Amino acid sequence: ETGVTQSPTHLIKTRGQQVTLRCSSQSGHNTVSWYQQALGQGPQFIFQYYREEENGRGNFPPRFSGLQFPNYSSELNVNALELDDSALYLCASSWSLEGARNTEAFFGQGTRLTVV
Amino acid sequence: GENVEQHPSTLSVQEGDSAVIKCTYSDSASNYFPWYKQELGKRPQLIIDIRSNVGEKKDQRIAVTLNKTAKHFSLHITETQPEDSAVYFCAASMGGGSYIPTFGRGTSLIVHP
Repeated sequence: ETGVTQSPTHLIKTRGQQVTLRCSSQSGHNTVSWYQQALGQGPQFIFQYYREEENGRGNFPPRFSGLQFPNYSSELNVNALELDDSALYLCASSWSLEGARNTEAFFGQGTRLTVV
Repeated sequence: GENVEQHPSTLSVQEGDSAVIKCTYSDSASNYFPWYKQELGKRPQLIIDIRSNVGEKKDQRIAVTLNKTAKHFSLHITETQPEDSAVYFCAASMGGGSYIPTFGRGTSLIVHP
């Protein structure tokens, strides 16, 4: 086990609703990245949080937003859910230092979101 | 941005055979290349990684090679076993302050007993 935990594990929402997914990073890690993995695809980068600030963003619309808390845990919020948002949402934690080499990222078990 | 191509999408081998999965990347600034194994319904798990200052790395039955000039890297699994069956993802990223890997689309490896 990696020590990265996500909640909930499964979720069903209706189109147009809002959802919040949560991630607790591994002890000692300060960086959390979120990914969307559609069925049969590789993980697609949504955004990364480092020291409570967004530190990079993939090609996702603004209705995907996030937060990182002082204990380095993180939330992913998705507004105005669409059917295509149905996917496995993964978070990954790592340790980063400005200008220094990062550690590898460890993934949580994911949240399976179904939008109906 | 970075683009990672991964081939093949499906690979079927007999137990004991070798398996090779190949990836190419587009951004010459990428310098860190991890490989993840994802079993059905489970999280991706890092199995091996390589940085751009080395050309090859081996860990028991798994090895990764990197050709920076050609911008491609490969995963080699020898003496495959049924428990190696999974989806394998390659990724490429730049090091430094951010670790934001770009993933390939995955290779479904099936090892027949």
